[in-house]
Amino acid sequence: DSGVTQTPKHLITATGQRVTLRCSPRSGDLSVYWYQQSLDQGLQFLIQYYNGEERAKGNILERFSAQQFPDLHSELNLSSLELGDSALYFCASSPSTPVGGYTFGSGTRLTVV
Amino acid sequence: GESVGLHLPTLSVQEGDNSIINCAYSNSASDYFIWYKQESGKGPQFIIDIRSNMDKRQGQRVTVLLNKTVKHLSLQIAATQPGDSAVYFCAESSYNQGGKLIFGQGTELSVKP
Repeated sequence: DSGVTQTPKHLITATGQRVTLRCSPRSGDLSVYWYQQSLDQGLQFLIQYYNGEERAKGNILERFSAQQFPDLHSELNLSSLELGDSALYFCASSPSTPVGGYTFGSGTRLTVV
Repeated sequence: GESVGLHLPTLSVQEGDNSIINCAYSNSASDYFIWYKQESGKGPQFIIDIRSNMDKRQGQRVTVLLNKTVKHLSLQIAATQPGDSAVYFCAESSYNQGGKLIFGQGTELSVKP
């Protein structure tokens, strides 16, 4: 157990739907990062939050959004889902920014049918 | 654009041999590098990191070498074991990037008994 908890582990949904992925960071970590991993793209950085505020944005689609709550857990919202959104979504946390140890969760496997 | 790439997509070694996995990075401003191991169905697991003010760092059976002149990073695994079979990713970060990690495509290491 890495200390970073992601739920659900698996999600199957239809095109056009909306889903929410949840991440609880390791105790004491203030930064949360979201990554998408697909077969042909590797691990792509989506977005970073630090203590509730958005810190950096990567290749995140406008259909996707995220937030970090006061208790530091984070949610990634994916809407108007397309087949190409099927991927593994990972959350990572770190104790500080900009650099430090990054701990990854076990991911959410999203399948869009 | 920014990219971190790997020279070899697959590597097959005999059990007990040493393994070397290579990585090229393109952002000369990167000042922190990490190697991750990812087993099937799991999130990336931290192996070893190195800061740009160092050129070598050793861990348990692993060594990371950094050559900033040619922007090259390598991971050496001594006495490779079947449990080392996984996909290995290098990742880079810099202060100016706010801590986000940019990952390479990954190298699959296969250890033959």
